[in-house]
Amino acid sequence: AQSVTQLDSHVSVSEGTPVLLRCNYSSSYSPSLFWYVQHPNKGLQLLLKYTSAATLVKGINGFEAEFKKSETSFHLTKPSAHMSDAAEYFCVFQSSYKLIFGSGTRLLVRP
Amino acid sequence: DAGVIQSPRHEVTEMGQEVTLRCKPISGHNSLFWYRQTMMRGLELLIYFNNNVPIDDSGMPEDRFSAKMPNASFSTLKIQPSEPRDSAVYFCASLDSTEYGYTFGSGTRLTVV
Repeated sequence: AQSVTQLDSHVSVSEGTPVLLRCNYSSSYSPSLFWYVQHPNKGLQLLLKYTSAATLVKGINGFEAEFKKSETSFHLTKPSAHMSDAAEYFCVFQSSYKLIFGSGTRLLVRP
Repeated sequence: DAGVIQSPRHEVTEMGQEVTLRCKPISGHNSLFWYRQTMMRGLELLIYFNNNVPIDDSGMPEDRFSAKMPNASFSTLKIQPSEPRDSAVYFCASLDSTEYGYTFGSGTRLTVV
């Protein structure tokens, strides 16, 4: 069955340090994968999408993710965290028309 | 473009009452989705419309839930009668066949007391 697993429920970083949010997927075919961000009491905003065109995907706000088939991973990174990055991040698998959401990773950014 | 518009933003109702949530998708998007977000179950797909036709309603919890899409610019999700366990954030999303990604509305936070 297709699924995504977010390996950390919470990640805490200091402002200005790198961010790594981990996601593994399970799929019998080449997947479409997304990262969405949800700020407190807000909707879901698309950060980036992998569609097999390139393994390194650049998104908004300085985020990027690398698709690694050998590791079945799609980790989200950012070189330098900003206070405004504090939010919940979802790794998402597209199965046909359905979006299958991971359980989310809450990112805390310390001053 | 104003994006996907949902109303109301917040709804508090008493158990047993009827609740109607509304969604206006992005113009030209031919697919519409209703999702529910809870602490226990995360984000779940409730129903999917394509060209105003319900394609997959397998996620609708039970007969108390119903959804309609009378035209390309409007959809409703109705709960009758409502129960406290229906308390959640309900999101609407739309998608164009050529779109980069799904666009979500800001959600409706429903509280049933």
